[in-house]
Formats: sequence, C-alpha cells, structure tokens
Amino acid sequence: SYVLTQPPSVSVAPGKTARITCGGNNIGSKSVHWYQQKPGQAPVLVIYYDSDRPSGIPERFSGSNSGNTATLTISRVEAGDEADYYCQVWDSSSDLSVFGGGTKLTVL
Amino acid sequence: EVQLVESGGGLVQPGRSLRLSCAASGFTFDDYAMHWVRQAPGKGLEWVSGISWNSGSIGYADSVKGRFTISRDNAKNSLYLQMNSLRAEDTALYYCAKSSQGVVPAAILDYWGQGTLVTVSS
Repeated sequence: SYVLTQPPSVSVAPGKTARITCGGNNIGSKSVHWYQQKPGQAPVLVIYYDSDRPSGIPERFSGSNSGNTATLTISRVEAGDEADYYCQVWDSSSDLSVFGGGTKLTVL
Repeated sequence: EVQLVESGGGLVQPGRSLRLSCAASGFTFDDYAMHWVRQAPGKGLEWVSGISWNSGSIGYADSVKGRFTISRDNAKNSLYLQMNSLRAEDTALYYCAKSSQGVVPAAILDYWGQGTLVTVSS
C-alpha cells in the first residue's frame, strides 16, 4: 500500500518559517491534505488539494506538492502553532485513504 | 454549527463486538460522505473506513476489512461502525469525520468529532 513519510519532529523559532515535508512515490500526482492536531483535541483541516486553505485558517499556512514531496509551510510561526501535523492522500490504486506518520512541530 | 458526537465506545474483551455511533447536526447529512479515523494511544492517525452520501461506495482499511462494517442512516443523521472480532490492536480513540464532498475518494475531512475511546482487553 501507499506510504507517506514525514519527519518525526521539526523545531522553529517564533517568527521564523517552518516547513514540514511529506514524502511519497510520485505524490505530485495526488491531492494532499494537511491536518493540525493539538494535544487533547481533534484534528483540524488546514490545507486541502495541496494548497487551498479552509475558511478561518490563517494565510500563514500554505502548501505545495511536486514530484515525490509535498510541503506544508507555516510562515511567521507563533507559539499557538505548536502541534502535530499530518498529511493525507487518497490512494486510488488500493481505494483507501492514507495518513503520514505525523510531525511534531515545536516552537522554541 | 456542524456537530459530530460519537458514542458507543468502552472496554471490550478480545473477540467481542462493539457498535459505534455518530450523531450529526448542523449540515445536510445526506449530501456528504462520512469517515471513521482512529488514533491509538500516543500514535498517529489511521483512516478506518468511509461511506459515500448514498451508501453506494464504501471503503475499508486493510487492517479492518472483513471485521468492521460502516453504515449510515440518512433519516436519522447518523453514522455507524460495527466492529466484530475485536483485537488488542484495535484499541484507539475513534473519530467520526465529515467529508467536504459526497464521494468517498475525496476524503477531505473538514469537521471532526471529539472521538470515542475503544479499549480491547481481557
């Protein structure tokens, strides 16, 4: 089955830019969605279709997808952005959805 | 306001069954696909199953195929997950999630419930 690979952790100083990657075989041909999950809370959709933002999500959150890597970029990082982030795709070859293992974003 | 409220979780012995429910409100339930996603303690998210708006398309993760059955009752704005032959590795917080579209493959989960905990242990 399709595998999505994320770094376990990313650290960034406040005000800087965080980039969280999601690797997969030819992931650029798939639509990637990203979720933010804070401790003790349900996940929240932050990016869908690679780069679209749901209403209410700050413009600081953006996404891109090409080749074998999709990237979630968070600009001007704030303490409140500290959370786990998951990428997700639909694998049409096996007809099921797949999540990456998640990346813990730490704001220093 | 969209609300998804899961229920039915609890402690169950291996090999037994459990049925989860998800009560939906605040949107036109029969316009959208619905999904179940689980999270084992301290672990990441795992997609479990999805069902299209009219139940015409259903998908399951390999880990639950043949043991779990997803269903919905549009008249009652409710989603269900029948879980049979439960194993210790099924222990997780089970989330009900709404898709932004009516079909299963879109699987863009724009609203989530708070989850119901299933513990499989003797």
